[in-house]
Amino acid sequence: DAGVIQSPRHEVTEMGQEVTLRCKPISGHNSLFWYRQTMMRGLELLIYFNNNVPIDDSGMPEDRFSAKMPNASFSTLKIQPSEPRDSAVYFCASSVGRNTEAFFGQGTRLTVV
Amino acid sequence: AQRVTQPEKLLSVFKGAPVELKCNYSYSGSPELFWYVQYSRQRLQLLLRHISRESIKGFTADLNKGETSFHLKKPFAQEEDSAMYYCALTTSNTGKLIFGQGTTLQVKP
Repeated sequence: DAGVIQSPRHEVTEMGQEVTLRCKPISGHNSLFWYRQTMMRGLELLIYFNNNVPIDDSGMPEDRFSAKMPNASFSTLKIQPSEPRDSAVYFCASSVGRNTEAFFGQGTRLTVV
Repeated sequence: AQRVTQPEKLLSVFKGAPVELKCNYSYSGSPELFWYVQYSRQRLQLLLRHISRESIKGFTADLNKGETSFHLKKPFAQEEDSAMYYCALTTSNTGKLIFGQGTTLQVKP
């Protein structure tokens, strides 16, 4: 297994554009997390899915952010419209269940200019 | 609400010196606590968890429920320990995994 796969690795976009980040969790894992990493705030949990169902989206900063998990092998995080303050590294992680080790993707470095 | 606090953004020590990375948490339930590490150009990965009570790469962490702390310790730091360290907590009811702000450990030769 190649682990958690995120795409793209880097994204540079202009303010106001729509951005879609993608994640493929490890096969057999039923929990999926999206995080945003910044120098100031560290790793912030944005949203958490269990068995493809969003359990907690209280960390989603604004209505501009949305996330979906249409099936067990794919999730997206969308920002529309994007703003410069959204610039960060976005991580996806998956785990086999509650309170077990989470495996992280390589992250997507987003720059909004 | 659940929260994990790492008070130090940067900890710089010399090789061979003892290391203690501080972590405090707030959670009304029974927490599961972890330390994750991110080496340069590598993925964030699990270092250790409190439930297994193990020592990994010479690091240990003890859960102190009275002080709500889970500090990470190593008696003699090595240069290869230089990395970003995150303390994390999962909630027993939903499995939500939250992290602290992270501490960069810099071990100087």
